[in-house]
Amino acid sequence: GESVGLHLPTLSVQEGDNSIINCAYSNSASDYFIWYKQESGKGPQFIIDIRSNMDKRQGQRVTVLLNKTVKHLSLQIAATQPGDSAVYFCAENIGQGGKLIFGQGTELSVKP
Amino acid sequence: ETGVTQTPRHLVMGMTNKKSLKCEQHLGHNAMYWYKQSAKKPLELMFVYSLEERVENNSVPSRFSPECPNSSHLFLHLHTLQPEDSALYLCASSQASQLNTEAFFGQGTRLTVV
Repeated sequence: GESVGLHLPTLSVQEGDNSIINCAYSNSASDYFIWYKQESGKGPQFIIDIRSNMDKRQGQRVTVLLNKTVKHLSLQIAATQPGDSAVYFCAENIGQGGKLIFGQGTELSVKP
Repeated sequence: ETGVTQTPRHLVMGMTNKKSLKCEQHLGHNAMYWYKQSAKKPLELMFVYSLEERVENNSVPSRFSPECPNSSHLFLHLHTLQPEDSALYLCASSQASQLNTEAFFGQGTRLTVV
């Protein structure tokens, strides 16, 4: 089966609230994780990444947290906006190159 | 735009047709990938090309045939497909020799097999 998966298939939040999207992975050898955003009719777009030697990384309005003890990854979006509505995927990578294993995806819906 | 271009964006084909999907990357990468994305399912890795050599084929049926003539171009040749092959086919590229690097995706080709 898939080694990367998401806890919730859908998430609905109010505009302005913070969103938290979760991901579980099972391969302890994975050393690099990425969050992708996929809007309707488009390919996945890179949001933020984190290496396994870190437990937190911040971007613009987004934060990724990595808990290697329980093999858990989360994406936090601050002040969620309607433009954040999309499907979010976590992906893991082992070693060189960009070969990625993807989780199921969480569909984020932002209510105005 | 991500620098990875896929054509066509939409394709409808019969089960007896032969068609090809095209992918071109303008990022100077040397690894390219085909992924299949079915509704409500994770992206499934189909093929990996690194330095123009196929390094992975994830048990994909022979009715899908990839081709990588150079590091910038990737094709997926399709023949005698089944309706269950209808999906979004995504191409991606990355730098093969680089540790911990993301893949850049195209917009995908929405394939419908009738």
